[in-house]
Amino acid sequence: NAGVTQTPKFQVLKTGQSMTLQCAQDMNHNSMYWYRQDPGMGLRLIYYSASEGTTDKGEVPNGYNVSRLNKREFSLRLESAAPSQTSVYFCASSGWSNQPQHFGDGTRLSIL
Amino acid sequence: AQSVTQLGSHVSVSEGALVLLRCNYSSSVPPYLFWYVQYPNQGLQLLLKYTSAATLVKGINGFEAEFKKSETSFHLTKPSAHMSDAAEYFCAVPGRVGAGGTSYGKLTFGQGTILTVHP
Repeated sequence: NAGVTQTPKFQVLKTGQSMTLQCAQDMNHNSMYWYRQDPGMGLRLIYYSASEGTTDKGEVPNGYNVSRLNKREFSLRLESAAPSQTSVYFCASSGWSNQPQHFGDGTRLSIL
Repeated sequence: AQSVTQLGSHVSVSEGALVLLRCNYSSSVPPYLFWYVQYPNQGLQLLLKYTSAATLVKGINGFEAEFKKSETSFHLTKPSAHMSDAAEYFCAVPGRVGAGGTSYGKLTFGQGTILTVHP
């Protein structure tokens, strides 16, 4: 019963490096989301994908790109990492618009 | 756009005491509201969900929340706190995106309330 799986769980990068955070869900959900969580700021939506083949910006998209590879997978890419992107990143998925979101365990990313 | 405000970034209670975590939504009545819980080093888990079917909603682990339109509130309560309730709690409301105002499941989260339970 995997649910939403995120990889890696931890990562340390140097400023300017790039990396891709991976997310996969096995619940046949249509919608997927990427959030970042910073102390005292709750979760802020970076990008979302309402359905396979579509992606849209959330509140804080600058410095990120996403790919909805197929219905199961939704990746988040940092092209040139900056210290301000140090955060915990969560992927989530949901069936339809009134259904709860299911979250992965997060990726803890530090950028030096 | 819909928003939620959680009053109190930290709440501390004694084991066995009442837990009250506050959430107020913006003026327009949302079609649904959620409370999530996050334990250390984990993702968010759904505690309970409000739809228009009932104003008092029961969730997991003995938590419940009451929707009060007159107060634009959806406060989370538990009669007797347990040490295992120590976590961060988030209230969330659906956002509005797209030309038709469909939320596509997009949620706007409150800033979170950290609950500490003392022995």
